[in-house]
Amino acid sequence: DAKTTQPTSMDCAEGRAANLPCNHSTISGNEYVYWYRQIHSQGPQYIIHGLKNNETNEMASLIITEDRKSSTLILPHATLRDTAVYYCIVRVATGTASKLTFGTGTRLQVTL
Amino acid sequence: GAVVSQHPSRVICKSGTSVKIECRSLDFQATTMFWYRQFPKQSLMLMATSNEGSKATYEQGVEKDKFLINHASLTLSTLTVTSAHPEDSSFYICSARGPRLPGTDTQYFGPGTRLTVL
Repeated sequence: DAKTTQPTSMDCAEGRAANLPCNHSTISGNEYVYWYRQIHSQGPQYIIHGLKNNETNEMASLIITEDRKSSTLILPHATLRDTAVYYCIVRVATGTASKLTFGTGTRLQVTL
Repeated sequence: GAVVSQHPSRVICKSGTSVKIECRSLDFQATTMFWYRQFPKQSLMLMATSNEGSKATYEQGVEKDKFLINHASLTLSTLTVTSAHPEDSSFYICSARGPRLPGTDTQYFGPGTRLTVL
C-alpha cells in the first residue's frame, strides 16, 4: 500500500470549513483513498473514500487531484465534536489481504 | 447500519490471568474481522486477520499463542490474551469487513476495549 503524508496537527474554528490535506505521491492506479477518524478513546470511524472522482457524503467531501498524488478532506462546517485524529489511507479495493495500514494521522482541534 | 460492538469496554485483570474480548457485527455478516492494538499516543497496529471458519493470520511479531483468535461464526470473533502481563495493557480494537460500498469493501470498527493488567 502507498505511503501517505499528513500534517501532524491542525486547528480550525467552529463553524468554519476544515481542510485536511494528504499526500500520496506513490499511489497506484488501483488504490483507493480512504479517510477515517478516531475520536479520543473510541474506535476509528469511516468517513469517505474515493478513487479519482471527487466524492461527497453527509459527513464530508473528498477532493482528489487529477494526478491522484494528493487529496483533501473537507469538513464543511466543523463542530467541536469533529475534534479527532484523521487518518488518510490508500489501499487496493478488495481482496483477501485488504488491510488498513494506519499512519500517524492529523490531529484536528476545533475551537470556539 | 454496519455496527460493530465489543465487550467488555474496559477490563482490569491481574498479571498471569487470561482475558477474552468479544467482537460482534450487529447488523451484517462478516467473514473477515481484524484485531488492532493501540498504545497511548500511538497509531493503530494490526495484530491479526480473523477469517470465519479458518485460522487467523497474524502480523509479524505478534505471538499467536499469546493472542488466541477464534472466529466461529459470521458475527463473532474473540481475542483471548493469555497469561496477561502489564506490557499487554493497551487499547484493543476490532473491525469487520462490512457491506460493500460501491467499488470497494470497507472496514467498520468497534468502540475498543481498554485492557489494564496489574
